[in-house]
Amino acid sequence: QQQVKQSPQSLIVQKGGISIINCAYENTAFDYFPWYQQFPGKGPALLIAIRPDVSEKKEGRFTISFNKSAKQFSLHIMDSQPGDSATYFCAASTNAGKSTFGDGTTLTVKP
Amino acid sequence: DGGITQSPKYLFRKEGQNVTLSCEQNLNHDAMYWYRQDPGQGLRLIYYSQIVNDFQKGDIAEGYSVSREKKESFPLTVTSAQKNPTAFYLCASQGGGGASEQFFGPGTRLTVL
Repeated sequence: QQQVKQSPQSLIVQKGGISIINCAYENTAFDYFPWYQQFPGKGPALLIAIRPDVSEKKEGRFTISFNKSAKQFSLHIMDSQPGDSATYFCAASTNAGKSTFGDGTTLTVKP
Repeated sequence: DGGITQSPKYLFRKEGQNVTLSCEQNLNHDAMYWYRQDPGQGLRLIYYSQIVNDFQKGDIAEGYSVSREKKESFPLTVTSAQKNPTAFYLCASQGGGGASEQFFGPGTRLTVL
């Protein structure tokens, strides 16, 4: 049973465009929703994270939108750059600390 | 420099051999995790440990074993019982208790010849 569903699997965006990646979850006990960025051959690194008491969090060009009632959250990358080309994973975790990851989205930003 | 290290970066194994992947952290984190990553798939949890001398199976523990004798170290052994071990293996640590960021190592790519 996949508890975190991520879409799309791959995304191609022109430089300067907006990249949007969506995730949906089932477990209402989740209370921490991070997004990780992974470059080829490297380990993932935290990009931005949100807790369910807020509906939006922005850090530079990256924004998480969170809809608690719909059990959905999304990552928006504004003014996408070729250097943003990477695989992005959403995740969700409970107070127990263990995380459940989405299957990842491969983003390609064309110059 | 605080962080999490994995070694080796690349590992080749013959069928029927056991191999051990190293994971060390100096972040003073209590929790450590091992994930397997296959192309086009997400991170699947193999084992995790929330405290020294204790660990639990994740979603795909069959064919793997771990130990947690020291807070800093969480080695993973891929045994000959693992049917398809070729993959990218990631170790992570987590501090602070509860839901928080996981810090990942650079990964080990294991290839079975």
